[in-house]
Amino acid sequence: EAQVTQNPRYLITVTGKKLTVTCSQNMNHEYMSWYRQDPGLGLRQIYYSMNVEVTDKGDVPEGYKVSRKEKRNFPLILESPSPNQTSLYFCASSLWDPRNTGELFFGEGSRLTVL
Amino acid sequence: KNEVEQSPQNLTAQEGEFITINCSYSVGISALHWLQQHPGGGIVSLFMLSSGKKKHGRLIATINIQEKHSSLHITASHPRDSAVYICAATKGNQFYFGTGTSLTVIP
Repeated sequence: EAQVTQNPRYLITVTGKKLTVTCSQNMNHEYMSWYRQDPGLGLRQIYYSMNVEVTDKGDVPEGYKVSRKEKRNFPLILESPSPNQTSLYFCASSLWDPRNTGELFFGEGSRLTVL
Repeated sequence: KNEVEQSPQNLTAQEGEFITINCSYSVGISALHWLQQHPGGGIVSLFMLSSGKKKHGRLIATINIQEKHSSLHITASHPRDSAVYICAATKGNQFYFGTGTSLTVIP
């Protein structure tokens, strides 16, 4: 079954404690991306990757890191989480073409609370 | 100012009604996506449009590139259509999202 898998789905942590949210897709997609969703602000893109070892910042990259060492995995790293990073996070993937018109496939979301 | 604006923010309809959700964007785009998010939180892609019109079952999406406007129509609405509908514009390698339209269809 084609899917994007995120872990953990729910996490409560404390300020400053490093954490990683994993994302894996089994569709051999080139494009992967991370978003956060906040009430009233909608979805905002954090980072994206067009292929292995190719990553770039989205609209709200501050406080986050990513890596793309393998095509299927795109982890999101919060080196020193702060309460303003409390949010619902989504990973998504798609086939990539020069006009970026591929359909997006989303993971189920990870709800993160930073105390 | 958001690059992508949706209207209305909230919409309540009676079962069977024809529904229209609008999306306007200010960026030059290569594609426009319509997404559906159910109360459980998962997001599903409904359509990807770069021109014209697409139809899946009771859902129809249209885009007017010159006017920078897209619409999502639901014919013969049903309570299971209750969800948040989100439009997203693709510019280069980035995505810009509207804040969503919350639809409730009452039996």
